[in-house]
Amino acid sequence: GQQVMQIPQYQHVQEGEDFTTYCNSSTTLSNIQWYKQRPGGHPVFLIQLVKSGEVKKQKRLTFQFGEAKKNSSLHITATQTTDVGTYFCAAGGGSEKLVFGKGTKLTVNP
Amino acid sequence: NAGVTQTPKFRILKIGQSMTLQCTQDMNHNYMYWYRQDPGMGLKLIYYSVGAGITDKGEVPNGYNVSRSTTEDFPLRLELAAPSQTSVYFCASSSVQETQYFGPGTRLLVL
Repeated sequence: GQQVMQIPQYQHVQEGEDFTTYCNSSTTLSNIQWYKQRPGGHPVFLIQLVKSGEVKKQKRLTFQFGEAKKNSSLHITATQTTDVGTYFCAAGGGSEKLVFGKGTKLTVNP
Repeated sequence: NAGVTQTPKFRILKIGQSMTLQCTQDMNHNYMYWYRQDPGMGLKLIYYSVGAGITDKGEVPNGYNVSRSTTEDFPLRLELAAPSQTSVYFCASSSVQETQYFGPGTRLLVL
C-alpha cells in the first residue's frame, strides 16, 4: 500500500531557530495535508496542498508541495514555544483514506 | 457545533473484558475513521466508513469491530481486551477527501 516517509522523527531546537520537516512518497499524490498534535492533544488540520509546486504560508509556517507531487515540506521560521508538538503529513491518493506519516516531534528550548 | 465527540475520555480494562468506544459527529460527514496511537508513535487506521451501513478494514483491524447504523455515530467495539490494545484511540470524520476532524481521544489501559 501507499506509504509516506517523514523525517526527521525528532527535532530539538532553541527558540528562535528555524525548523523543517519533510514528507516523501514513492508515488504521485493527489494532495497532501499537514496536521499538528500538541502534547496530550489530538491532531488538528493545518493545511492542504493540491497543486504541483504549490507554496502556502500561514504566518511563520511555510508549506510546499513538490513539482512531481511526491514530496512536501513544512518550514517554521523563528520557532516559539507554542510550536511544540508533533507535525504529521497525510497523503491523499484519491481514495477515501489518508495515509499518515509517522510524524516529527518538535521540542523548543526557551 | 460540537464537532467530533468521544466517550469515555479514559478507561481501564482487565484482560478479556469488552467495551465500546463511542464516537459522534454533528457535521453531517459521510466519512468516519478510527485510529489508534501508541505512545510516541503515529496514527494507525483501524476501521473506516464511507457512509451509513458501510464499513471497511484499515491497517490494524484485528481485535476490533465497528458498525455504522447512522451518519452521526461510529462506535468501536473491543471484544476481548488485550494489553497490546493499550493505546489512545481517535475518531475522525471528513467530507469526501477533505480535512479530517479529530475527536479528543479515548485513553485505554488494559491490565
